[in-house]
Amino acid sequence: KAGVTQTPRYLIKTRGQQVTLSCSPISGHRSVSWYQQTPGQGLQFLFEYFSETQRNKGNFPGRFSGRQFSNSRSEMNVSTLELGDSALYLCASSLVYGSTGELFFGEGSRLTVL
Amino acid sequence: ELKVEQNPLFLSMQEGKNYTIYCNYSTTSDRLYWYRQDPGKSLESLFVLLSNGAVKQEGRLMASLDTKARLSTLHITAAVHDLSATYFCAVGNTDKLIFGTGTRLQVFP
Repeated sequence: KAGVTQTPRYLIKTRGQQVTLSCSPISGHRSVSWYQQTPGQGLQFLFEYFSETQRNKGNFPGRFSGRQFSNSRSEMNVSTLELGDSALYLCASSLVYGSTGELFFGEGSRLTVL
Repeated sequence: ELKVEQNPLFLSMQEGKNYTIYCNYSTTSDRLYWYRQDPGKSLESLFVLLSNGAVKQEGRLMASLDTKARLSTLHITAAVHDLSATYFCAVGNTDKLIFGTGTRLQVFP
């Protein structure tokens, strides 16, 4: 059974640009959550999508957005990139939404903002 | 707001020794997860603890949950080098998981 797939794995952007990251969940999983991981702040919850609807959102500015498609694949977008957005962005899928289901993580997309 | 604290943050231990990682959380929850992360890799699920008193073991790792004390422990028995990684606990908070700061474990000969 294929795991969670994230693309791209690595990318470099400059300040002010925007970036789109993609996540394909495990087959049959309808929940996709996004996390930002940095050495200083650790793992921080960005948002969760379930059945194409954003169910929950963390404390991030509006520059961070996402969406989910009918096949459960999800994308997140960060606009007007700042240096502090450099991080590992992890996507996790689950059968159910919220914290009741076990999360299965992808390998992550490592974003560097110059 | 739910806060999750792990200690220690760093742990350097000799092969063959035992040690415990602690995970404290600030509000009521009945779901706790332990994950492992190798450098540059994703998070791997280790244990899911769903009730007070739950204990689970896998190889040299054993996790337990005390919901009344709001405490979970991850006990390492007779450590080996392959256990070197960062370990995270995550606590369910109604509709999302809140992760602890992580414990970076290094096992040396």
